[in-house]
Amino acid sequence: EAQVTQNPRYLITVTGKKLTVTCSQNMNHEYMSWYRQDPGLGLRQIYYSMNVEVTDKGDVPEGYKVSRKEKRNFPLILESPSPNQTSLYFCASSSLERYNEQFFGPGTRLTVL
Amino acid sequence: AQTVTQSQPEMSVQEAETVTLSCTYDTSESDYYLFWYKQPPSRQMILVIRQEAYKQQNATENRFSVNFQKAAKSFSLKISDSQLGDAAMYFCAYRQMEYGNKLVFGAGTILRVKS
Repeated sequence: EAQVTQNPRYLITVTGKKLTVTCSQNMNHEYMSWYRQDPGLGLRQIYYSMNVEVTDKGDVPEGYKVSRKEKRNFPLILESPSPNQTSLYFCASSSLERYNEQFFGPGTRLTVL
Repeated sequence: AQTVTQSQPEMSVQEAETVTLSCTYDTSESDYYLFWYKQPPSRQMILVIRQEAYKQQNATENRFSVNFQKAAKSFSLKISDSQLGDAAMYFCAYRQMEYGNKLVFGAGTILRVKS
């Protein structure tokens, strides 16, 4: 089954404790991105990647890092989480040929205390 | 920068009735794509319908249709014969041609369906 998976689905952590949210897709997609969803703001792009070893900032990259060492994986790293990073996070992927078909992961609910 | 505005934070509709969700956007591009996504309580993002800006014909998917007014930069979603399963958050989104495949989302509209 074609899908984007994220782990964990729920996470409660404390300020300053490094964490990683994993994202994996099994569709051989070149394009992957991370969004955060906040009430009243919709989804906003954090980072994106056009292919392996190619990443770039989205609209709200501060406090986040990403890497793209393999085509299928695109982890989101919070080196020192803060309460303002409490949010719902989505990973998405698409092929460059069928770029209007973005597949979203199930979301990760992160709470930073 | 492109922006997407959904001016209705919440809407209600009676089952079997029709409801229209509004969306306006701002862009200087001439070619782009517009989307409506549904987010049910499960939080999954589900593509409802998409419209290509260079196509004048409004997109339709079963009970879902759009009214795309390019000059007015308006992209509303009409849901006919509303069902209880249509209750969800609906997001309007714009796909930028620059900066990769980024989607710019509106703030969302919560749709409640009354039985």
